[in-house]
Amino acid sequence: GAGVSQTPSNKVTEKGKYVELRCDPISGHTALYWYRQSLGQGPEFLIYFQGTGAADDSGLPNDRFFAVRPEGSVSTLKIQRTERGDSAMYLCASSPSLGGTYNEQFFGPGTRLTVL
Amino acid sequence: AQKVTQAQTEISVVEKEDVTLDCVYETRDTTYYLFWYKQPPSGELVFLIRRNSFDEQNEISGRYSWNFQKSTSSFNFTITASQVVDSAVYFCALSEARGTNAGKSTFGDGTTLTVKP
Repeated sequence: GAGVSQTPSNKVTEKGKYVELRCDPISGHTALYWYRQSLGQGPEFLIYFQGTGAADDSGLPNDRFFAVRPEGSVSTLKIQRTERGDSAMYLCASSPSLGGTYNEQFFGPGTRLTVL
Repeated sequence: AQKVTQAQTEISVVEKEDVTLDCVYETRDTTYYLFWYKQPPSGELVFLIRRNSFDEQNEISGRYSWNFQKSTSSFNFTITASQVVDSAVYFCALSEARGTNAGKSTFGDGTTLTVKP
C-alpha cells in the first residue's frame, strides 16, 4: 500500500512568512508524529497525535509552531512568522498505534523548508 | 529523560569488510523500545529493526545483526560483508513504552557509513 506522503517536498519562503506543511499518513494508522531534522543531526521530536488530539506537543519550539489533525488522518504543521533558524527537513511519521507492540514509525520523505 | 548516543560520527570501510555501529542509550523506564533506521542519500528514513527491552536475544537478518545488552545499555548494529549500497546515515532511536514519553522517539545524531568499492 501507499506509504506516508508529505507535500510539498521543498518549500522556500521569506523570513516572516507563514507556511503549511502537509502529511498524509498510512491509511489506518492512528498515531502521527512530526519531527524536525537539521543537517548532521538526528530527527528531533516536535509533536504527536493519537487520532485527532495532540497527545504530546512538548517538542514544539515556540508558539509560532502549531499542528492540527482535524479528522484523524491528514495533518498540517503550521509555522507563523518564519525565521531563518526554522530551515530544516520536516519529517512526518505514522504508526499503527501509540505505544504497545507495534511502535515502529514509518517515515515520509520529508519537506525541506528553507527560510531566506 | 531519555538520550541516545552514537559516538561514531563517520565510518569508512572498503566493500566486504564487516562494520559495527555503536549505540548507547539512557532511560529511566524499565520498558522501552530500541530501533535502528537507515537514511540513504535519497533522504527517507527506513525502519530496520525494533527490540523490546525485555527481549535481549540477538537478532540476525541476512547481513545485518544486532547485539542488545541491557547491562551496558547498548544496542549495536553490525553489517557483515558490507556493500556500496549500505552507504547511508544510520540512526539509533529509543522510545519509552509508558509515561509522558510514551510513543515519541529520541534519536541519536547518526553515524554516516561510507562503503568504498
